[in-house]
Amino acid sequence: QKEVEQNSGPLSVPEGAIASLNCTYSDRVSQSFFWYRQYSGKSPELIMSIYSNGDKEDGRFTAQLNKASQYVSLLIRDSQPSDSATYLCAIGWEYGNKLVFGAGTILRVKS
Amino acid sequence: EAQVTQNPRYLITVTGKKLTVTCSQNMNHEYMSWYRQDPGLGLRQIYYSMNVEVTDKGDVPEGYKVSRKEKRNFPLILESPSPNQTSLYFCASSQVLQGNEQFFGPGTRLTVL
Repeated sequence: QKEVEQNSGPLSVPEGAIASLNCTYSDRVSQSFFWYRQYSGKSPELIMSIYSNGDKEDGRFTAQLNKASQYVSLLIRDSQPSDSATYLCAIGWEYGNKLVFGAGTILRVKS
Repeated sequence: EAQVTQNPRYLITVTGKKLTVTCSQNMNHEYMSWYRQDPGLGLRQIYYSMNVEVTDKGDVPEGYKVSRKEKRNFPLILESPSPNQTSLYFCASSQVLQGNEQFFGPGTRLTVL
């Protein structure tokens, strides 16, 4: 069974700080990695995708992928109260036809 | 505007009364999928479709049916709903699954009494 693990949180950070969210996965043949943000009662919204080892930056967001260690992380710089949400990690496998989601990490940014 | 739509957004029903939740996308995506989301369990895939007339089971298909007669539509059918199907349901679509992100509909909150 392919698994995606996330710390459920809540992760609390002060406004302006860096929030670090982590995700580990069980299968070495994973190829595509996504971070979704989900506000309470709303649908998941894609914020980052990463496909190769290393860092990918987009504005205040940086995704980091380490396939050897089987983890992917999301850094949010200059965290804002509007970043308070649940962050879902999703993994696509090479031989499957679906994404598998982690249960999500709740982030709370305190002003 | 590119979007995935679902109807109804909210539904309260009783055990055994057949219902259909519609999903439609206007992005010409081949891949469509249904998920349910429950507290602490995250998003779990119910069924997916790679293209018209091609559907397959996800992780939690029991009690659900789907069809894909047109590329844009992917309805979810509960023929005899039970209280354990009370959940938040999302439809999603993407152009090609591997390496392409999925776009989600707004969700349907279903309560089965």
